Amino acid sequence: DAKTTQPPSMDCAEGRAANLPCNHSTISGNEYVYWYRQIHSQGPQYIIHGLKNNETNEMASLIITEDRKSSTLILPHATLRDTAVYYCSLVGAGANNLFFGTGTRLTVIP
Amino acid sequence: DAGVIQSPRHEVTEMGQEVTLRCKPISGHDYLFWYRQTMMRGLELLIYFNNNVPIDDSGMPEDRFSAKMPNASFSTLKIQPSEPRDSAVYFCASSLKTAYGYTFGSGTRLTVV
Repeated sequence: DAKTTQPPSMDCAEGRAANLPCNHSTISGNEYVYWYRQIHSQGPQYIIHGLKNNETNEMASLIITEDRKSSTLILPHATLRDTAVYYCSLVGAGANNLFFGTGTRLTVIP
Repeated sequence: DAGVIQSPRHEVTEMGQEVTLRCKPISGHDYLFWYRQTMMRGLELLIYFNNNVPIDDSGMPEDRFSAKMPNASFSTLKIQPSEPRDSAVYFCASSLKTAYGYTFGSGTRLTVV
């Protein structure tokens, strides 16, 4: 069980920021928020993870609310290649079993 | 690094036959995972290993499924006998210690007819 809730689908215009929400209201203090994406027929790809502070890497930014009950993945300038299913999951510190929910299907529109 | 390598990419077999899926993890990764993906059930974690030892196999659907990791560079997932409902894409992934992202292979698409 990924223990998260995500909207099933979203659209985003090419070049605009894509903001993908994730609710995890039952998150425990030691659980990290992980984001992956799966482009059609490929294996899932790691994007970013965080505990409580906002994180940024070359792919995306992760904003976690102060109460940690929700988070947002931000793709700053979406391209057509960002069309994929995006998964938000929780993994406890010291644990290493990653469970996937149903994810959000992001479609970037030209 | 070539990433996580899975073979074969596609497998078509008849019901009742034995099927073996193979995975080579990234060198130096301590953890190896097997997942199954279907339209109905999404991505399911079947089993994972740490330092070649199976840690949690609670996701293995039935006794027909077995997984081994004889050394740090090789793992197999075997289905014997196979059934049509085993048709799915099977992914292998590896990772370093906790808090590092997993790297997935390209998957094996299994069709049991």
